[in-house]
Amino acid sequence: AQTVTQSQPEMSVQEAETVTLSCTYDTSESDYYLFWYKQPPSRQMILVIRQEAYKQQNATENRFSVNFQKAAKSFSLKISDSQLGDAAMYFCAYRTPDTGANSKLTFGKGITLSVRP
Amino acid sequence: KAGVTQTPRYLIKTRGQQVTLSCSPISGHRSVSWYQQTPGQGLQFLFEYFSETQRNKGNFPGRFSGRQFSNSRSEMNVSTLELGDSALYLCASSLEAIRVNTEAFFGQGTRLTVV
Repeated sequence: AQTVTQSQPEMSVQEAETVTLSCTYDTSESDYYLFWYKQPPSRQMILVIRQEAYKQQNATENRFSVNFQKAAKSFSLKISDSQLGDAAMYFCAYRTPDTGANSKLTFGKGITLSVRP
Repeated sequence: KAGVTQTPRYLIKTRGQQVTLSCSPISGHRSVSWYQQTPGQGLQFLFEYFSETQRNKGNFPGRFSGRQFSNSRSEMNVSTLELGDSALYLCASSLEAIRVNTEAFFGQGTRLTVV
């Protein structure tokens, strides 16, 4: 079974600085998708960034980028120029491209990010 | 385009009662998944429905059940509520789960408190 591990429960960053959130996963699959979701106090999960395992190039979305190390099964999220609105809980998630029994997101425990003004 | 709508937003029930939660996916989305979120266990997958059929099920007792209607709206039911069922229940919809390159859109959840 696939597992996702986020070992840091909390992190803090100064506004305008850069922060990196760590995530490791375990799978025997070679083809899969990885995601970072943001959950602000409003509770709605919002997709931040997505990475396809077959793509070597790291995904970027504006101030958000990932460092995807497939061999090490590591998927970290870098937030540049941190803003107060980035304060939220961040979840790393894994999904295979299959339907049926594998059609689900497996989440890490999440990390609470606070941004200091 | 309307997002994923979950009702009700908050619910308080007594142990032993049953509860039904509702999820209306984004128009055109046929896949609906349910997740339970608690501080201790994090986000755990309950089940997924596609075209009115349960396609995948998580490791939850039979007290947790669901269904999907022809308009893709989904309901989940929890019978004989226990204190441990207190959680945020999240629903997510997506276009299609084959070769997933589409994101799952989440609702704001239903906060269930069992007393």
